[in-house]
Amino acid sequence: DGGITQSPKYLFRKEGQNVTLSCEQNLNHDAMYWYRQDPGQGLRLIYYSQIVNDFQKGDIAEGYSVSREKKESFPLTVTSAQKNPTAFYLCASSIRWGANTEAFFGQGTRLTVV
Amino acid sequence: GENVEQHPSTLSVQEGDSAVIKCTYSDSASNYFPWYKQELGKRPQLIIDIRSNVGEKKDQRIAVTLNKTAKHFSLHITETQPEDSAVYFCAAGAGKSTFGDGTTLTVKP
Repeated sequence: DGGITQSPKYLFRKEGQNVTLSCEQNLNHDAMYWYRQDPGQGLRLIYYSQIVNDFQKGDIAEGYSVSREKKESFPLTVTSAQKNPTAFYLCASSIRWGANTEAFFGQGTRLTVV
Repeated sequence: GENVEQHPSTLSVQEGDSAVIKCTYSDSASNYFPWYKQELGKRPQLIIDIRSNVGEKKDQRIAVTLNKTAKHFSLHITETQPEDSAVYFCAAGAGKSTFGDGTTLTVKP
């Protein structure tokens, strides 16, 4: 069953903690993306990776970090420097950068600061 | 960078009516314009897309039109059904997509 899987579905973070959101795909896609979705707003790009071992900052990268050590995995760490981390986080992938093809999304992780 | 504006933010129609959502973009280099549907609590999924070498594309009840000169594109849904109720996002880009803020469509039975 091919697809893109995010875990966990719900995550609670205490003030000052770092947390890592998992994103795995078995679609053999080169490009991967992390988006943040707030109520009433569109998807804002946090980080993207065109290919394994490469990643670039998106529009709202402050307080976040990523790695892309394997083609199928693109974890996102929300650090304590992110002052307002409560949001719905979506991971996506596409076959390759610049291919003008659709992005496939994971089910999302809802992060709440407690 | 690319800037995408989407209107309206909410849209309510009677079942069977048509719905139109419009987007404008700023970067003339953008060449890919997808539309995604997101049902409550679920992932966005592509419903239709158009590339810059095409002016119109249709898939059953859904169509998208693109005006490159004016830098705007629109989603048209005909014969709307209650299951069309969702949030719709447009996007534009070349490489990575910039998304509009979404339109919440409600189809009343």
